Amino acid sequence: KAGVTQTPRYLIKTRGQQVTLSCSPISGHRSVSWYQQTPGQGLQFLFEYFSETQRNKGNFPGRFSGRQFSNSRSEMNVSTLELGDSALYLCASRAGTGVEAQYFGPGTRLTVT
Amino acid sequence: LAKTTQPISMDSYEGQEVNITCSHNNIATNDYITWYQQFPSQGPRFIIQGYKTKVTNEVASLFIPADRKSSTLSLPRVSLSDTAVYYCLVGALGFSNDYKLSFGAGTTVTVRA
Repeated sequence: KAGVTQTPRYLIKTRGQQVTLSCSPISGHRSVSWYQQTPGQGLQFLFEYFSETQRNKGNFPGRFSGRQFSNSRSEMNVSTLELGDSALYLCASRAGTGVEAQYFGPGTRLTVT
Repeated sequence: LAKTTQPISMDSYEGQEVNITCSHNNIATNDYITWYQQFPSQGPRFIIQGYKTKVTNEVASLFIPADRKSSTLSLPRVSLSDTAVYYCLVGALGFSNDYKLSFGAGTTVTVRA
């Protein structure tokens, strides 16, 4: 099976702009989670979607939003970008909502200037 | 939220066994313990998961004492390619509005020749 794919892999944006990141989960996986990784804060959970519904949410401002489509693909949007939003954004998928392992994508490296 | 504590770094040599202990004093009854490995600029990779006692797979073993307040990841006969950051994750993956996944700071393992 193909792994989790994320596009784009690299992105450079300017403060104040908005950005949309995309994630395609492993075929058959219905749960998609998003994480932000920075050197200072480590891996932080953003939100999780299952069957097109947001099921869990981390402690991030409302500028961070997401959605999931009927084919389980997910997008994450960040509006009004700030310099501190520069990070590696990781998407992970798993089959359901139990304790099964998550499978991560390679991430999108976002740089805000 | 079960907070985790791991050593920041560990050094080892090729062929040795590496043991990384993760403390999770307030682990909940329905929490599982999962370990991930991450190489630079890549998403984390699932290594092993357990609930209690001992779990072993082809790459690692996970030891969990009866009180479950800590766990130890054991990597047998490490090689240079095992140099990575290792994360301990504690959580009950399911639907809860109050649930926030905690990845911890990770342990940087450096394997030398």
